[in-house]
Amino acid sequence: NAGVTQTPKFQVLKTGQSMTLQCAQDMNHNSMYWYRQDPGMGLRLIYYSASEGTTDKGEVPNGYNVSRLNKREFSLRLESAAPSQTSVYFCASSGRETQYFGPGTRLLVL
Amino acid sequence: GENVEQHPSTLSVQEGDSAVIKCTYSDSASNYFPWYKQELGKRPQLIIDIRSNVGEKKDQRIAVTLNKTAKHFSLHITETQPEDSAVYFCAAIEGLTGTASKLTFGTGTRLQVTL
Repeated sequence: NAGVTQTPKFQVLKTGQSMTLQCAQDMNHNSMYWYRQDPGMGLRLIYYSASEGTTDKGEVPNGYNVSRLNKREFSLRLESAAPSQTSVYFCASSGRETQYFGPGTRLLVL
Repeated sequence: GENVEQHPSTLSVQEGDSAVIKCTYSDSASNYFPWYKQELGKRPQLIIDIRSNVGEKKDQRIAVTLNKTAKHFSLHITETQPEDSAVYFCAAIEGLTGTASKLTFGTGTRLQVTL
């Protein structure tokens, strides 16, 4: 039982490049989330998916897209990366209120 | 939407002392309040949570109190140990959309336990 897994662990992009962050959970949770964490700003919700087939915007969705591929997988895509998107990205899942986090992806955009 | 404020931003205590971190929230409809601990370079991990139908919850050296009237909740760590050093985040649930729990997080408290 791996819980929530994320790939890659670390990525360096140049401005304008695109990439997809992958997230998977094996806890049979209905809901999944993407957050970004910046120094001094806590965790901010980018997008979430209440159940398979649905996605909704969070607090900071601009510049991102998501896909709920199936119940297990929820991906985050940056179409044209910008330096302001340099951050640590965490995926989480929940069956109800309690959210469980993945190990994070550290992204640097030059 | 929900707004969560957390204080202090940094806290230094001596080993064996107690530590208290306080959070306030704005939405009176919020009914679930988790606390997460994040060690350097690691993921946030849930350490304790409380629902609005209780005023206090304890788990060994950790306790959380909730005052719904004043809209604030606090984390109490007793007999602090060096391994308690980490960043602690409070959160409040903004609401449930289907089964999704939209949490709003505080900005974190860096706790340092010194020998």
